Amino acid sequence: TQLLEQSPQFLSIQEGENLTVYCNSSSVFSSLQWYRQEPGEGPVLLVTVVTGGEVKKLKRLTFQFGDARKDSSLHITAAQPGDTGLYLCAGEPTGKLIFGQGTTLQVKP
Amino acid sequence: DTGVSQNPRHKITKRGQNVTFRCDPISEHNRLYWYRQTLGQGPEFLTYFQNEAQLEKSRLLSDRFSAERPKGSFSTLEIQRTEQGDSAMYLCASSLVNHRDRGTDTQYFGPGTRLTVL
Repeated sequence: TQLLEQSPQFLSIQEGENLTVYCNSSSVFSSLQWYRQEPGEGPVLLVTVVTGGEVKKLKRLTFQFGDARKDSSLHITAAQPGDTGLYLCAGEPTGKLIFGQGTTLQVKP
Repeated sequence: DTGVSQNPRHKITKRGQNVTFRCDPISEHNRLYWYRQTLGQGPEFLTYFQNEAQLEKSRLLSDRFSAERPKGSFSTLEIQRTEQGDSAMYLCASSLVNHRDRGTDTQYFGPGTRLTVL
């Protein structure tokens, strides 16, 4: 069974700080996806990483896929209160998505 | 296109009652997925359809759960004899998979139906 472990599970920081969320697995994934979810809503796709070692940037968010395609990270620079939410990584081994348990981020003004 | 829609958004029911949720995918998306999510956790896969065919069901989907996609468009998820442990957010997602171009199966999620079983 392919599992995705996310860390940390909870993160509470002040506005302006930087943070990194990790997504690790013992299995190789052909791609990993990162989602952001707000309370009472469905997950919204942020990015898909496909190539080992790939780095993608989305404004203040930087996503990296590990060389061995077993892990990924999300780095947020100068976090803002609007970044608050649940961040999920997910892999797709056979059509269905397997999600990590999520990282709940709270950014205080 | 308005994206994936789910109805109802909230459902409160008493233990033992049956409930049915509906999902309308993005037009022309051939795959439709159901997931379940409890508070603060990642979604867990329940089942998925390609067109009208149900291709996979999770072990989480007990015999009290049934899903259909009769015309390959909208789908329904029914839970019979609900239990308190069924309380969760039920998410639907859809995607367009072109077998000539494997690519990545990008799934678009609806807003979910929050079920509370009293």
